[in-house]
Amino acid sequence: NAGVTQTPKFRILKIGQSMTLQCTQDMNHNYMYWYRQDPGMGLKLIYYSVGAGITDKGEVPNGYNVSRSTTEDFPLRLLSAAPSQTSVYFCASYDRGFSYNSPLHFGNGTRLTVT
Amino acid sequence: QKEVEQNSGPLSVPEGAIASLNCTYSDRGSQSFFWYRQYSGKSPELIMSIYSNGDKEDGRFTAQLNKASQYVSLLIRDSQPSDSATYLCAVNGGYGQNFVFGPGTRLSVLP
Repeated sequence: NAGVTQTPKFRILKIGQSMTLQCTQDMNHNYMYWYRQDPGMGLKLIYYSVGAGITDKGEVPNGYNVSRSTTEDFPLRLLSAAPSQTSVYFCASYDRGFSYNSPLHFGNGTRLTVT
Repeated sequence: QKEVEQNSGPLSVPEGAIASLNCTYSDRGSQSFFWYRQYSGKSPELIMSIYSNGDKEDGRFTAQLNKASQYVSLLIRDSQPSDSATYLCAVNGGYGQNFVFGPGTRLSVLP
């Protein structure tokens, strides 16, 4: 019963480096999301996907990129790490189905530090 | 811009008391409403969901929804120190919309 799995759990990057945060879900959910959460703050939507091959920007997309080649996987790529991207990143999925009453299911998060 | 607001914290209650957490939302067309609990350093976990006006009870938790007033609340009865966490209100605006989260309210239950 894996649900939403994120890797890695922790990562330290130097300014200018790139990396990919991995997210996979085994619930066959069509919608997937990437959020970031800065210390003491709420969740901000970076990118989301409503199905394989379809992605769209959220509230704070600058400096990130995503792809969705399969239903299960939704990787988030940091293009050139900046200190402002130090945050905790959460991947989430959602079964749109026939109603809007399904909740978001979250992964355990990736804590990223950029120095 | 669709907004979700929560009562500013931190909220401190003594053990055994009722904790009341409030949330208001701006989009009158919102369809479903969720309360998540987030312990420090952990991911949000779903506590309650509510879709219809009125009360919904689950153990020590009661969610209340008033769509006319665009207001949703969470009551925690017999609060325990283990309830100390940040509580996030989330609203799903329906077709074509995404979840919108409030900033969270930090609750401290004092032994």
